[in-house]
Amino acid sequence: QSALTQPPSASGSPGQSVTISCTGTSSDVGVYKYVSWYQQHPGKAPKLMIYEVYKRPSGVPDRFSGSKSGNMASLTVSGLQTEDEADYYCSSYAGSNTVLFGGGTKLTVL
Amino acid sequence: QVQLVESGGGVVQPGRSLRLSCAAAGFTFRTYAMHWVRQAPGKGLEWVAIISYDGSDKYYADSVKGRFTISRDNSKNTLYLQMNSLKGEDTAVYSCARDIATSPYLSYAVDVWGQGTPVTVSS
Repeated sequence: QSALTQPPSASGSPGQSVTISCTGTSSDVGVYKYVSWYQQHPGKAPKLMIYEVYKRPSGVPDRFSGSKSGNMASLTVSGLQTEDEADYYCSSYAGSNTVLFGGGTKLTVL
Repeated sequence: QVQLVESGGGVVQPGRSLRLSCAAAGFTFRTYAMHWVRQAPGKGLEWVAIISYDGSDKYYADSVKGRFTISRDNSKNTLYLQMNSLKGEDTAVYSCARDIATSPYLSYAVDVWGQGTPVTVSS
């Protein structure tokens, strides 16, 4: 079980859009709809932003959207705001009732 | 309000054991699968284990299989993680978390997290 692959960093200016990728394999991201995204501010617990590829929990702004194509999932943040600056982690069901996380992406709002 | 509160962390020598607890409140605990997730200092998230809503099914990450045991007591609204044969690489903050789906379904996404309890494995 190898971790999902995310770019270590991403950045954008306020108001812009940024997309963070999450690359898995045909054994996890590529075959299951259970891809999630989490936002984590320093010293805080992670917050669920997207689940089952594109669904948003109650209270998450629609500026956050998720998608998947083949073995890669993506999180897009539109209309960047300063409070979006955080670490973002993807996760995927990997079969046999196990879950993999990505290594995380630090999003900087310039 | 909905909350999870972990306890039981601390400093332990390699090879020793530790038992973590997670007290749930504000929701119907017995209808949700629960996860343990850990985060080593300065590192990313790592999924550790999952237990079904009724405790009948338990699954583990390869890194802890055979050493850690997840369990729950629905009468006490409490989740546990028994950690044996601890190694230095088990050093992390351990958080319990609730699966977003209600029984009998699973979404493998967690929508409620505890604040975490730190575990340090060191001689």
